Amino acid sequence: SQQGEEDPQALSIQEGENATMNCSYKTSINNLQWYRQNSGRGLVHLILIRSNEREKHSGRLRVTLDTSKKSSSLLITASRAADTASYFCATKTSYDKVIFGPGTSLSVIP
Amino acid sequence: GAVVSQHPSRVICKSGTSVKIECRSLDFQATTMFWYRQFPKQSLMLMATSNEGSKATYEQGVEKDKFLINHASLTLSTLTVTSAHPEDSSFYICSARELGGADNEQFFGPGTRLTVL
Repeated sequence: SQQGEEDPQALSIQEGENATMNCSYKTSINNLQWYRQNSGRGLVHLILIRSNEREKHSGRLRVTLDTSKKSSSLLITASRAADTASYFCATKTSYDKVIFGPGTSLSVIP
Repeated sequence: GAVVSQHPSRVICKSGTSVKIECRSLDFQATTMFWYRQFPKQSLMLMATSNEGSKATYEQGVEKDKFLINHASLTLSTLTVTSAHPEDSSFYICSARELGGADNEQFFGPGTRLTVL
């Protein structure tokens, strides 16, 4: 089952621009994670933000979490062609399951 | 970091055969492993939660007799797709939760691509 939605479903930007992806979820969570997946490959864990945190940074990545709106955003600054991939948010529920959103397909044009 | 492996990485089989996929936690113990299925251009869908030494818990709509899960040790869970059909062709990904790990973080395997002819 999926409990979240992501928008946009697809995003195409020029290299050097910033990319913002949003994720919404439905139930209460313990934490929220963002993953990247290159076409046909496994998942790469990007960042985890706990339910009591509002913002987190890791390199060119910035994640925000608004538990009152049940939403999160992932910002990739100064995008590179190598950032082209699908990005998924995943929420860890009180039942200890990790549920994935539908994902955003990002294309960074050189 | 913790490493999870899957074997095989890719399998092609004829319709009607059974296929076993292994998920191993290489450097940690995992009391719980999860199995996901991903169709092309779609997200990961949780199929079942596998607990060491007990029966797996399946998500709604997932046939337990079709997808047999065995979690015989703290480092190995297997998913057997029985009597596979072309509609079972998919990317199967497992994850393992480290016993006592921070945030009960899950670590994902690289996936197994199943193609049923």
